[in-house]
Amino acid sequence: QKEVEQDPGPLSVPEGAIVSLNCTYSNSAFQYFMWYRQYSRKGPELLMYTYSSGNKEDGRFTAQVDKSSKYISLFIRDSQPSDSATYLCAMSFNNAGNMLTFGGGTRLMVKP
Amino acid sequence: EADIYQTPRYLVIGTGKKITLECSQTMGHDKMYWYQQDPGMELHLIHYSYGVNSTEKGDLSSESTVSRIRTEHFPLTLESARPSHTSQYLCASRWTDQETQYFGPGTRLLVL
Repeated sequence: QKEVEQDPGPLSVPEGAIVSLNCTYSNSAFQYFMWYRQYSRKGPELLMYTYSSGNKEDGRFTAQVDKSSKYISLFIRDSQPSDSATYLCAMSFNNAGNMLTFGGGTRLMVKP
Repeated sequence: EADIYQTPRYLVIGTGKKITLECSQTMGHDKMYWYQQDPGMELHLIHYSYGVNSTEKGDLSSESTVSRIRTEHFPLTLESARPSHTSQYLCASRWTDQETQYFGPGTRLLVL
């Protein structure tokens, strides 16, 4: 069983929809949680970063962490065709140099 | 925005050739990483470095080698390329006291 599970998709939604992307994980020691966006043939770019449980909002994006359920989410409001990409969740134990553990990514397609 | 560069962006090469993939960052990050990512698949860590003259192998076994003679430079070398090495190679870097990694644009390698 992988440490971090993510539905690969593809997830296809109409423009303007609210998108919910999720990851589950098995190791309760993870404390730092990130979402990366990766366009085709590009490197991942950091979208959101959160520590421990709670919500964080940045524009149309909201990251949510539920450590009790070992579940994290990324919500995209008013989705745009330019949001079409693969979204990778990542997490780490602490900020002292531990590796990031990545999910496999969810491919999102937002249709005009 | 992170300044991390990879060259070449695309490389097509014959079996048995020696190749070096370049990665440079201008942020003074002490930690650097190499990942391998096949299309639609998750990232696999193949090498990492915690600083100058420090290199370690990652989770995924790789026939490549790396060096870290300067803080800003982390090249990856394949002594004898094989078709099984065909993949995308992503370089990343970060500060020790930050969890977030910044990625380069990647090198897409095709070995014939």
